[in-house]
Amino acid sequence: EAQVTQNPRYLITVTGKKLTVTCSQNMNHEYMSWYRQDPGLGLRQIYYSMNVEVTDKGDVPEGYKVSRKEKRNFPLILESPSPNQTSLYFCASSLIRGKKGEKLFFGSGTQLSVL
Amino acid sequence: DQQVKQNSPSLSVQEGRISILNCDYTNSMFDYFLWYKKYPAEGPTFLISISSIKDKNEDGRFTVFLNKSAKHLSLHIVPSQPGDSAVYFCAASTGGSQGNLIFGKGTKLSVKP
Repeated sequence: EAQVTQNPRYLITVTGKKLTVTCSQNMNHEYMSWYRQDPGLGLRQIYYSMNVEVTDKGDVPEGYKVSRKEKRNFPLILESPSPNQTSLYFCASSLIRGKKGEKLFFGSGTQLSVL
Repeated sequence: DQQVKQNSPSLSVQEGRISILNCDYTNSMFDYFLWYKKYPAEGPTFLISISSIKDKNEDGRFTVFLNKSAKHLSLHIVPSQPGDSAVYFCAASTGGSQGNLIFGKGTKLSVKP
């Protein structure tokens, strides 16, 4: 089954404790992206990757890191989480970025709470 | 500055009636528009899209209308069903190698039996 898999689904942590949210897709997609969803703010892009070893900042990259060592994986790293990073996070992928209207496939989300 | 605006946070409609969700945009370079649907505890899923060279695209009960001069698009759901209750996100793209999807804040649709 074609899918984007994020782990964990729920995560509670404390300020300053490094964490990684994993994302994997099995569709051989080139483009992957991370979003956060906050009440009243909709979906905002954190980072994206056009292909292996190619990453770039989205609209709200501060406090986050990503890596794209393999095509299928795109982990989101919070080196020193803070309470304002409490949010619902979504990983997404698409076949080719730049092809007009290429639709994104989303994971099920990771609800992160930073205390 | 918000480039894609969904000014109605919520909408309530009776089952069987039409649901109309609206979206406005400011960037005239947007050339592709998409609607995503999101249920609680799930990721958004693609619903329907439209290219800027068209003014209408239909897929079953779902129709998207684009008015480029007004920089406005709308999603019509006819007839509405309780299973359509979800948050709907409008998204726009400029395409090209630098293009990324810009999402609106979403509209929560409630379809009452």
